[in-house]
Amino acid sequence: AAGVIQSPRHLIKEKRETATLKCYPIPRHDTVYWYQQGPGQDPQFLISFYEKMQSDKGSIPDRFSAQQFSDYHSELNMSSLELGDSALYFCASSRKVAGGPIEKFFGPGTRLTVL
Amino acid sequence: AQSVAQPEDQVNVAEGNPLTVKCTYSVSGNPYLFWYVQYPNRGLQFLLKYITGDNLVKGSYGFEAEFNKSQTSFHLKKPSALVSDSALYFCAVRVPYSGGGADGLTFGKGTHLIIQP
Repeated sequence: AAGVIQSPRHLIKEKRETATLKCYPIPRHDTVYWYQQGPGQDPQFLISFYEKMQSDKGSIPDRFSAQQFSDYHSELNMSSLELGDSALYFCASSRKVAGGPIEKFFGPGTRLTVL
Repeated sequence: AQSVAQPEDQVNVAEGNPLTVKCTYSVSGNPYLFWYVQYPNRGLQFLLKYITGDNLVKGSYGFEAEFNKSQTSFHLKKPSALVSDSALYFCAVRVPYSGGGADGLTFGKGTHLIIQP
């Protein structure tokens, strides 16, 4: 079965550079979520999109922005990178149903290293 | 605000023995509860969820969890542990229709489960 695809899988940047992470949800999934997992930390919710509109906002820094496109893929744009941004960034997708939430399916993550 | 507590950083169990990974939650309202497993350098994999109905939920790989409203707990269990169950386990909560969104999951800190041969 198709899974959530994230690219790139690994990314190395220097301080103050920018980075763009991409997420391709499972086909027919209309909701995308971004999470940040620091070393040894639990995943922290950043932001989510439903039908190309921002659905909810978590602990996403102002230096970051994201959007969901017409084909439902999403991009997380990160500017003025800091050392503390080094983390594993997960994308998850799901499909909204009337009866309640179905489980979120997570991608393999993008490991961002800021030097 | 919603929160999840996993009181144990690590749980050690001998192969073949039953295992329990503890999770308690704090929410205002009825929770949606989830368990995810994370293998090294891998994404989070869904194990099971509680939405409503039967308090005992069965999930993937022989895992199950029991929702206990009075104790606000959602402990993960398995009758007989396998070495391959060794991984990092996250409990997560979401409150439905909380108005402010709460669309994302709130995760616990995670519990390392180590199954010894």
